[in-house]
Amino acid sequence: AQSVAQPEDQVNVAEGNPLTVKCTYSVSGNPYLFWYVQYPNRGLQFLLKYITGDNLVKGSYGFEAEFNKSQTSFHLKKPSALVSDSALYFCAVRDYGGATNKLIFGTGTLLAVQP
Amino acid sequence: NAGVMQNPRHLVRRRGQEARLRCSPMKGHSHVYWYRQLPEEGLKFMVYLQKENIIDESGMPKERFSAEFPKEGPSILRIQQVVRGDSAAYFCASSPPQLGPYEQYFGPGTRLTVT
Repeated sequence: AQSVAQPEDQVNVAEGNPLTVKCTYSVSGNPYLFWYVQYPNRGLQFLLKYITGDNLVKGSYGFEAEFNKSQTSFHLKKPSALVSDSALYFCAVRDYGGATNKLIFGTGTLLAVQP
Repeated sequence: NAGVMQNPRHLVRRRGQEARLRCSPMKGHSHVYWYRQLPEEGLKFMVYLQKENIIDESGMPKERFSAEFPKEGPSILRIQQVVRGDSAAYFCASSPPQLGPYEQYFGPGTRLTVT
């Protein structure tokens, strides 16, 4: 069965410092991986995705993510955090070989950036 | 290009009443997904529909919940005889009309409160 784990409920980082939000996955085939961000009382906004190819994926708002097949990880990163990055971040996976487009989400990581 | 639209944004129902949640996908999208977000939890897949077809309902509770996406009009998620445990945010997402690594675009959600 497909699954996604986000081991940290919350990540605290000072503004200007690099940030990492961790995600590991489990799928039977090759994964499609996604990161979404959710601001309070809002829907999810797409940040970036990994399909195939280059292991470093660049996305919106200066975020990037590194796919590591051997560690089954897809960590979200940003070189310099902003206070406005404070939000709830979700990692999601879709099984490449699946007959359904459904996404399996992690439980989310709350990112708090202190000024 | 309007995004995914959901209404109502907030819905209050007494126990035993029916709740109807509506979702209009992005223009050009014919795949619709419904997810539920319980307080302090991540998103859980409920159902995946195409026009006039349910493709995957593996996440739908067996009783009281139903979904449709008619040829004309929005997708409807219907919850009969609501109970307090149904209180949650319900998100709709849409994607292009193919199976593949397409990101899903989310609506703002409907927050259902059962009193």
